[in-house]
Parts: sequence; C-alpha cells; structure tokens
Amino acid sequence: KAGVTQTPRYLIKTRGQQVTLSCSPISGHRSVSWYQQTPGQGLQFLFEYFSETQRNKGNFPGRFSGRQFSNSRSEMNVSTLELGDSALYLCASRDGANEKLFFGSGTQLSVL
Amino acid sequence: EDQVTQSPEALRLQEGESSSLNCSYTVSGLRGLFWYRQDPGKGPEFLFTLYSAGEEKEKERLKATLTKKESFLHITAPKPEDSATYLCAVLNAGNMLTFGGGTRLMVKP
Repeated sequence: KAGVTQTPRYLIKTRGQQVTLSCSPISGHRSVSWYQQTPGQGLQFLFEYFSETQRNKGNFPGRFSGRQFSNSRSEMNVSTLELGDSALYLCASRDGANEKLFFGSGTQLSVL
Repeated sequence: EDQVTQSPEALRLQEGESSSLNCSYTVSGLRGLFWYRQDPGKGPEFLFTLYSAGEEKEKERLKATLTKKESFLHITAPKPEDSATYLCAVLNAGNMLTFGGGTRLMVKP
C-alpha cells in the first residue's frame, strides 16, 4: 500500500503570494489532517477533514484554508503569505476507526 | 488549553546506555497518548498509543508507560539507529491532538 504522498516537496514563495499544497492519503483512509511544524512552535494542528467535511480546526488565521475531494485527496491553501509561514507542512491520514496517524514527508515552504 | 511538555529537549547517549524520555501533559478528557518517532526530512512515524494510567507497551528496545500526569519512553541498550526526534501527543475528548516539542535523541557508537 502506498503511503501518504505530499506535493510539492519544496516550495519557495515571496511575501503576499498564495500557495496550494496537495496531499494524497493512504488508499481507504477518509480522514486527512494538516499540521505546521516549525523549530520554535513544534507541530501545530491546522485542520482535519473527513468525507469532505471539516471536522476540527486549530488556532490559525483565516488565511489558512483547506478542502477535501470525494476521492479523499486534500489541498491546503495559504493566502497572503507572511515570513512566519515558513515551515514544514505535514499531512496525515487515518482510516477513521483508528486514531493512529500516518504522516507524509511534508512540504517545506520558504517565504522570502 | 491542552499542554504537552517533553524533557529533555536533547539527549546524548552512548550505545548501550539506557535512559528515559519524559512527557508531561494536561488535557481535557484524555482519549489517548501517542508516541511518534521523526527522522530528519521525514514525517513522524507512529510508535505507541496508551489509553489509561498503568498501561505499558513495548516494541524492540522501546517501552512506553503512562500515569495520570505523564508518560515515559524507556530506551534499553540503544543503538545508533535509534537516533531521532521522539514526539509525544495527547488526544482530547474533542478529538484535538496536541504535540509536545519533542526530544532529540543522539546515540553514539
């Protein structure tokens, strides 16, 4: 079974731009969640989607948004990028009945 | 607000030198406590889930234990390949997962 796939692996953007990150979960997993990881703040929860519906949202500004498609693939969008948005963005999937998360390798976003 | 504090932040061990990593937590309605391992450039990899005080789980050289306020990850006779960052996380009654800052473990041969 293929693991969680995140694209792109690396991204460089400038302040004010917007960015879209993509995540393909493990086949059969209907829950996808997103996390931001920085050296100072560690891993912080952004949001979780299950069957195309947002189930939970972390404490991030509205510039951070996401969506999930009918095939469970998910995208995360960050608008009006700020320098502080530079981070590793991790996507994780699970099969709904199990709380165990399977993480992708992440997208490393650098905002210049 | 749920809080997870891991200590130490970094730990250097000689190969074969056993030690423990600590995870202290406060959470509203603990549904589970998780341990993950993260290697550089990769996402976290699941190790254990603990659900109630007194529970213990083992995998190879790792053993996780849980009390009402903290969890320990015991590493017995570690090898260089055990070098990684170990993350602890708690899941609350509202299904929100909160991670600690991690412990960076380095095992020298």
